Amino acid sequence: EAQVTQNPRYLITVTGKKLTVTCSQNMNHEYMSWYRQDPGLGLRQIYYSMNVEVTDKGDVPEGYKVSRKEKRNFPLILESPSPNQTSLYFCASSLAANYGYTFGSGTRLTVV
Amino acid sequence: GESVGLHLPTLSVQEGDNSIINCAYSNSASDYFIWYKQESGKGPQFIIDIRSNMDKRQGQRVTVLLNKTVKHLSLQIAATQPGDSAVYFCAENQAGTALIFGKGTTLSVSS
Repeated sequence: EAQVTQNPRYLITVTGKKLTVTCSQNMNHEYMSWYRQDPGLGLRQIYYSMNVEVTDKGDVPEGYKVSRKEKRNFPLILESPSPNQTSLYFCASSLAANYGYTFGSGTRLTVV
Repeated sequence: GESVGLHLPTLSVQEGDNSIINCAYSNSASDYFIWYKQESGKGPQFIIDIRSNMDKRQGQRVTVLLNKTVKHLSLQIAATQPGDSAVYFCAENQAGTALIFGKGTTLSVSS
């Protein structure tokens, strides 16, 4: 089944403790992206990747890092999480930026 | 700044009615538009898309209309069902690098 898989689905962590949210797609898509979703603010892009080893900042990149060492994986790294990064995170992939995205099921992160 | 928005945050309809969800966009250079459906606890799900060289596109029970003159996008759902209850987002593609999402309309269908 074609899908985007994120892990974990839920995570509670403490301020400053580094964490990684994994994202993997099995559709051989070149384009991948991370979004965060907050009440009243909608979906905002954090980082995106046009292809392997090519990443760029979205609208809200502060406090996040990404890497794209292989086409299928696009992990989101929070080096020192803070409470304002408490949010619902979605990974998405697509053939290209101007095609429909397939989204993962989301990761609900709480930073205390 | 440029953004995609929706006219109404909520829409309530009766089962069997047709629903129309509207969206206004501000960037006349946008050339690709998508509607997504998000059910509670799930990720956004692709419904239908349209490119700027088209005015209308139909899917199963859904139709997207694009009016480039007034920069307006709409999603029509025929014979709305309780399973259609969700948040609906429009999104536009700007400069081929990212989808920009509107804030969503919550559709509630009562039977």
